[in-house]
Amino acid sequence: DAGVIQSPRHEVTEMGQEVTLRCKPISGHDYLFWYRQTMMRGLELLIYFNNNVPIDDSGMPEDRFSAKMPNASFSTLKIQPSEPRDSAVYFCASSSPGLETQYFGPGTRLLVL
Amino acid sequence: DQQVKQNSPSLSVQEGRISILNCDYTNSMFDYFLWYKKYPAEGPTFLISISSIKDKNEDGRFTVFLNKSAKHLSLHIVPSQPGDSAVYFCAASAFGSARQLTFGSGTQLTVLP
Repeated sequence: DAGVIQSPRHEVTEMGQEVTLRCKPISGHDYLFWYRQTMMRGLELLIYFNNNVPIDDSGMPEDRFSAKMPNASFSTLKIQPSEPRDSAVYFCASSSPGLETQYFGPGTRLLVL
Repeated sequence: DQQVKQNSPSLSVQEGRISILNCDYTNSMFDYFLWYKKYPAEGPTFLISISSIKDKNEDGRFTVFLNKSAKHLSLHIVPSQPGDSAVYFCAASAFGSARQLTFGSGTQLTVLP
């Protein structure tokens, strides 16, 4: 079975540009989570969805960040406009109904110049 | 305020010996705990978990111990192998939190051949 799929794996962009990160959760999973990992703050939850509905976006750092889940098999995290301090590794994770365990994708390493 | 703390950023162990990774938490509402392993350029991989109704859970070479009164859990790896070298994250969730995980900052384990 395919795990959580994220694209792109690496993204280099210039400050002010729009960045879109993509995630395909494991089929059948009803929760989807977006995390950001930095040296300073570690692994922090940005937003999560249940059955495609955003439940808690309190971790989203600013209005520049937005996330959508148009269907059960696809989610996006958008940063517009991007800033150098957004440079980090962004992970997507999903979990199956009734279980606590989250399964992570390989991450997208974002560098904003 | 960190609700999940891993106070040792790094640990070195000789191959074949026991590795003990520690984690402390402050939120008494946490009732489910997980350990994840992370290799460079990969997403965190679920390793083992424990519910608060137990004080020990074992899976092969990996055992997690939970001391609720001390709000402390530990991961034992016996025997340690060079392939175990990775960053280990402790995570916790609270009942009714819709599976939000709070992560510790991680411990880099190096198993020396």
